[in-house]
Parts: sequence; structure tokens; C-alpha cells
Amino acid sequence: GAGVSQTPSNKVTEKGKYVELRCDPISGHTALYWYRQSLGQGPEFLIYFQGTGAADDSGLPNDRFFAVRPEGSVSTLKIQRTERGDSAVYLCASSLGGQNSPLHFGNGTRLTVT
Amino acid sequence: KNQVEQSPQSLIILEGKNCTLQCNYTVSPFSNLRWYKQDTGRGPVSLTIMTFSENTKSNGRYTATLDADTKQSSLHITASQLSDSASYICVVNNAGNMLTFGGGTRLMVKP
Repeated sequence: GAGVSQTPSNKVTEKGKYVELRCDPISGHTALYWYRQSLGQGPEFLIYFQGTGAADDSGLPNDRFFAVRPEGSVSTLKIQRTERGDSAVYLCASSLGGQNSPLHFGNGTRLTVT
Repeated sequence: KNQVEQSPQSLIILEGKNCTLQCNYTVSPFSNLRWYKQDTGRGPVSLTIMTFSENTKSNGRYTATLDADTKQSSLHITASQLSDSASYICVVNNAGNMLTFGGGTRLMVKP
């Protein structure tokens, strides 16, 4: 079956611009996570959704970052006034939500802010 | 503070050899520990998930061990193949379903 899909796969934007990154989770997965990964490092937690609501957004670095999941399926990560330091791979993962449920990751969106 | 430390940071081995990757954690309370494989340019893929009552779990040539008392885990790869070249990430889940990721071990298998 289809896995987690993230679009676009690559995004280049200028400093100060607004970007939206999309995640289509596996159908039926109630839990959805966003992570940010810099080169050579492990993923860094941003936000976790259970259904439509953000169960934990403590990883969002500042108020320029926002994420929504209005219908409990597709999620969009929104970054305002992008900065060069936002350049990274943004990973989305989904799961059935149980404690022992494995995360299924997408291949990420590589964001480059010039 | 919840932390997951992995060693070595990088490793080069010859095809056909075995290797062991280490993971130490301070996450509490503990729920489960996961190992993921991440190929370059791809998202991580789950290899194993172990709860505190499981000491060993295998997935093909991958065998993970867990010592919940010393808070250590290892991932042993047997008879390595070129396709094993990847980053291997240790992830610990606490009882609140919060995942803490290690920085990964970058493995390169050479012919």
C-alpha cells in the first residue's frame, strides 16, 4: 500500500518568504509527527498530532512555525519569514498511535533558504 | 533530561564482516526502544521495537539487544552487505509516547 507521502521533495526559497510543506500519512493512521533533520544528525521533534489536534507542539522552535491537520489526515507545516537557519530536511511520520506502533516516515522535504 | 547517545558516530567495515552499534539512554519512564535504518535521502525505516521485557529481537541479519537495567541497547549486523550502508538511529519512547532520537551511527560497508 501507499506509504507516507511528502511534497514537495525539494523546496528552495528566499530568506523572508513563506513556505508550506505537505504530508499525506498512511490511511487510518491517527498519529502524525513532524521532525526536522540537519545533515549528520538525528531527527529533531517539532510537533505531534493525535487526530486533528496538536497533542504536543513543544518542539516548534518559535512562532514562525505552525502546523495544521484540519481533517485528521493530511497535515501542512507552515513556516513564515524563513531564515537561512531553517534549511534542513523536514520529515513527517505517521502511526496507528499505540505505544508500540512503529513510525512510518516519508522521504522528507529538503528545504533550502537562500 | 531525556537523552539517547549512540556510538560510534561512524563506522567502516568490509563486506561480509559483522558489527555492533551501541545505544545508551537516560529516558524515563521507559516504554520501548526502537532501531531505525535511514538510507541517504530517505526517511528512517523501522527495524525493531523492544519493550522492557524483551532482551533480544531479530529481524533477518539484524539483532537488537536491550538491557533495561543498565539502559543500554545494541544492534548487531551479521554478514554485512553493501546495502547495509546507512545511518542507524536508536529511538527511545517514554510512557507519554514522546520519542527521543539518538544522533545515529553512519555505517559504510566497503567491498
